[in-house]
Amino acid sequence: GQSLEQPSEVTAVEGAIVQINCTYQTSGFYGLSWYQQHDGGAPTFLSYNGLDGLEETGRFSSFLSRSDSYGYLLLQELQMKDSASYFCAALSGGSYIPTFGRGTSLIVHP
Amino acid sequence: EAGVAQSPRYKIIEKRQSVAFWCNPISGHATLYWYQQILGQGPKLLIQFQNNGVVDDSQLPKDRFSAERLKGVDSTLKIQPAKLEDSAVYLCASSLAGAHEQFFGPGTRLTVL
Repeated sequence: GQSLEQPSEVTAVEGAIVQINCTYQTSGFYGLSWYQQHDGGAPTFLSYNGLDGLEETGRFSSFLSRSDSYGYLLLQELQMKDSASYFCAALSGGSYIPTFGRGTSLIVHP
Repeated sequence: EAGVAQSPRYKIIEKRQSVAFWCNPISGHATLYWYQQILGQGPKLLIQFQNNGVVDDSQLPKDRFSAERLKGVDSTLKIQPAKLEDSAVYLCASSLAGAHEQFFGPGTRLTVL
């Protein structure tokens, strides 16, 4: 089966940098996506890694290492509005079938 | 551009009753997904459509859940009969064919009493 592991909770202070890790075990792995979800809201897409290395999008960056079955999401210059749940999702097979992790709750303190 | 539309937003039913959810994806998006998200967990894929064909439904409890996308546009997910453990948010998402970015609708919060 497919499985992804993420920390359940991460806390940080405003202005800091935080890294959310994700390890995966999936067959037919194609790439890793990251989504943000605020309480009561819908997930929104943040980033995608299809190749090894770092992808940067503003304050958010995501990294993938296929050989280690590992990725992370890096959030810089944290703001209070970044308090949310963050999910990694592995895409598998030619049809990009998604499997989501259980999510990491990020709490940003002033 | 309009986003993914879902209705109803909230539904409360008794166990053993039936319920249906509707989703209208973003125009031009060939791929449509239905997810179940239980509180405190990640979205669990129930079924993935490419146009009106099923790509994956390996996690759909087929004894009680069914889904269709007859004309390759909007879709309906049905539960019959509902169980207490079906209480969750049901999310619909869509994407362009072959794209990795999914766009999610606001979800339907189902409570089974």
